Amino acid sequence: QVQLVQSGTEVKKPGASVKISCKASGYPFTNYALHWVRQAPGQSPEWMGWINTGNGNTKYSEKFQGRVTIIRDTFATTANMELSSLRSEDTAVYYCARGHSDWYLDYWGQGTLVTVSS
Amino acid sequence: DIVMTQSPDSLAVSLGERATINCKSSQSVLYSSNNKNYLAWYQQKPGQPPKLLIYGTSTRESGVPDRFSGSGSGTDFTLTISSLQAEDVAVYYCQQYVSDHTFGGGTKVEIK
Repeated sequence: QVQLVQSGTEVKKPGASVKISCKASGYPFTNYALHWVRQAPGQSPEWMGWINTGNGNTKYSEKFQGRVTIIRDTFATTANMELSSLRSEDTAVYYCARGHSDWYLDYWGQGTLVTVSS
Repeated sequence: DIVMTQSPDSLAVSLGERATINCKSSQSVLYSSNNKNYLAWYQQKPGQPPKLLIYGTSTRESGVPDRFSGSGSGTDFTLTISSLQAEDVAVYYCQQYVSDHTFGGGTKVEIK
């Protein structure tokens, strides 16, 4: 069965960077895109960007351009998302999600809580 | 960016009754290459990730009960729960995926 398993909770200080991993299994990794979506407490989800797992091409939301980097490791069937220059407003649960060929998000990871606090 | 606006913010419905959630997009979400509206609905329960219910406006994801249905076109869309069950208490989000991805503000569904 399709599974996306993310790395664990992170606590970071303002200005630091965080890297979250997403391990995919149960399907051909390079056949589906992986997206990153975050959700601040009490807020609706916010799309951050995606990676074409076949060729490694990426597209990022303008809001995060310059601060976010998504890479993939096809041998490890893993995608990693790094967010830099963290501030308190980046406190959120971060999700990876699989992109269906018709672009909707059909499977989601369990989420990774990132807390940014001095 | 396409802005998604949901209404109402919250909704209390008796068990077995109908719940209707509306979603309006600031511009068309029609993908002209295949004439499909790229509009999805997700259900989210506390402490869980969003779960895909409906995509392409009206296609139920595998395993989703048929009491959930989606409709609409252009810029106006609706999610209907025909007979509310206790397990349907959740926040529901619409999402467009024709131009990047944006989510609505959410509608909290509770039991009256």
